[in-house]
Amino acid sequence: GNSVTQMEGPVTLSEEAFLTINCTYTATGYPSLFWYVQYPGEGLQLLLKATKADDKGSNKGFEATYRKETTSFHLEKGSVQVSDSAVYFCALGGQGAQKLVFGQGTRLTINP
Amino acid sequence: GAGVSQSPSNKVTEKGKDVELRCDPISGHTALYWYRQSLGQGLEFLIYFQGNSAPDKSGLPSDRFSAERTGGSVSTLTIQRTQQEDSAVYLCASSNGQGAYEQYFGPGTRLTVT
Repeated sequence: GNSVTQMEGPVTLSEEAFLTINCTYTATGYPSLFWYVQYPGEGLQLLLKATKADDKGSNKGFEATYRKETTSFHLEKGSVQVSDSAVYFCALGGQGAQKLVFGQGTRLTINP
Repeated sequence: GAGVSQSPSNKVTEKGKDVELRCDPISGHTALYWYRQSLGQGLEFLIYFQGNSAPDKSGLPSDRFSAERTGGSVSTLTIQRTQQEDSAVYLCASSNGQGAYEQYFGPGTRLTVT
């Protein structure tokens, strides 16, 4: 079945550091890929998405590229801020309006 | 516009009691999902409704769990004879059933079984 593996956390960085959170997946067919973010005390929010190979999703300075050859969707940001502290979830959606399969989440803490 | 809303935000119940959790999806969204977020299990899919089709119940952990969606809108997740391992945050999401089918999540209901 479909599965998502995320980089183990927690991750702690200093402000303005470069961020990478690794995500790899196993899926049949051509899934859509998502990054969701959960800020402290808040619900899950869609951060970015990509629907086919080589698509790049971007939002709020974050980017992720759908790499079919490496089955990866790594999240990157060039210069993180304290306000980026949150839990980040990589997720895979099957073809059609089906359930999302989530990675285990990566807790990110940015220190000033 | 209004997002997905869930009620109650917190629920404390005694072991063995039944609970009902409510979800109001985004207006016009045809698909509705329930997930559970717990410390040991991460985010788990529970059940999915799409229009008038039969729901996908493949994620329900036991027959104590059931859900319905009335009039293609509001949904209720019912847990009968609650157990301590049911303690978790129950999340509802909806999508418009088009494009990438990205799902929009509600704030969740935190269930604590004592």
